Amino acid sequence: EVQLVQSGAEVKKPGESLKISCKASGYSFNSYWIGWVRQMPGKGLEWMGIIYPGDSDTKYSPSFQGQVTLSADKSITTAYLQWSSLKASDTAIYYCARRYQDSSGYYNWFGPWGQGTLVTVSS
Amino acid sequence: DIQMTQSPSSVSASIGDRVTITCRASQGIGSWLTWYQQKPGEAPKLLIYTASSLQSGVPSRFSGSGYGTDFTLTISSLQPEDFATYYCQQANSFPITFGQGTRLEIK
Repeated sequence: EVQLVQSGAEVKKPGESLKISCKASGYSFNSYWIGWVRQMPGKGLEWMGIIYPGDSDTKYSPSFQGQVTLSADKSITTAYLQWSSLKASDTAIYYCARRYQDSSGYYNWFGPWGQGTLVTVSS
Repeated sequence: DIQMTQSPSSVSASIGDRVTITCRASQGIGSWLTWYQQKPGEAPKLLIYTASSLQSGVPSRFSGSGYGTDFTLTISSLQPEDFATYYCQQANSFPITFGQGTRLEIK
C-alpha cells in the first residue's frame, strides 16, 4: 500500500527555522515526484512545488520560490519542506502528495496524500 | 498563471439529490482537469482526473465532464458521506492552480 506519513504538528516563533517531513512507503520513492500543498486556516489549497527524489529536480510555484526549500533523502525515503525564517503568515496545514505517473509519463494530479502537518507560527 | 473559478462557493442539498458543481479555467486546458474531495480534518482525496476519469475506488455516482474552459462535477444521488468541500485543479501547466472550493452542506 502506498503511504505518505507526515511529521507532527509544530509550534514556532517568527524568525525560527523549520523542516517538516513526509515519509513514503509502498512504492519506489526515487521514481515518483512528490508535491507540497499549503492550506491556510479556513482557506483553500495552494500548490507550492514538487520534487523528484531520484535527482532532486524541483519545480516551485512562483508564489513560493525563494520562500521555502524542497529536498529529499533517498536513503530514508523521506521528502522535506523547510523554512529558514518563519513568518506568522506561514501558519497553515501543509500536505505532501504523490504525483501521478504511468508508463506514458508524469501528470499533474496527486494521490495519495499525507495526513498533513499543522505549522503554527506565533510570538 | 491559469485561474480556476468554481461555482457555487457553497451549496445545500439533501440526501438523494443530484448536485452539480462547475469549474471554469481562465484559458483552455483541454481535459487537464482534476477534482478532489476534502472532508473536515482530512487530507484531500483524488476523485476524478482528465476531466472525466474516475479514480479507482471512487463511487460511480461521481462523474465529471467538460473540455477547454468549462467543467462540471456531478454527484447523481447524494449520500451522507459526500458532504465535504470539493476542489478543482488544472493539470495543464505549472504553476498548478486550484479553484477556491465548493462546500457541499446538508440541507
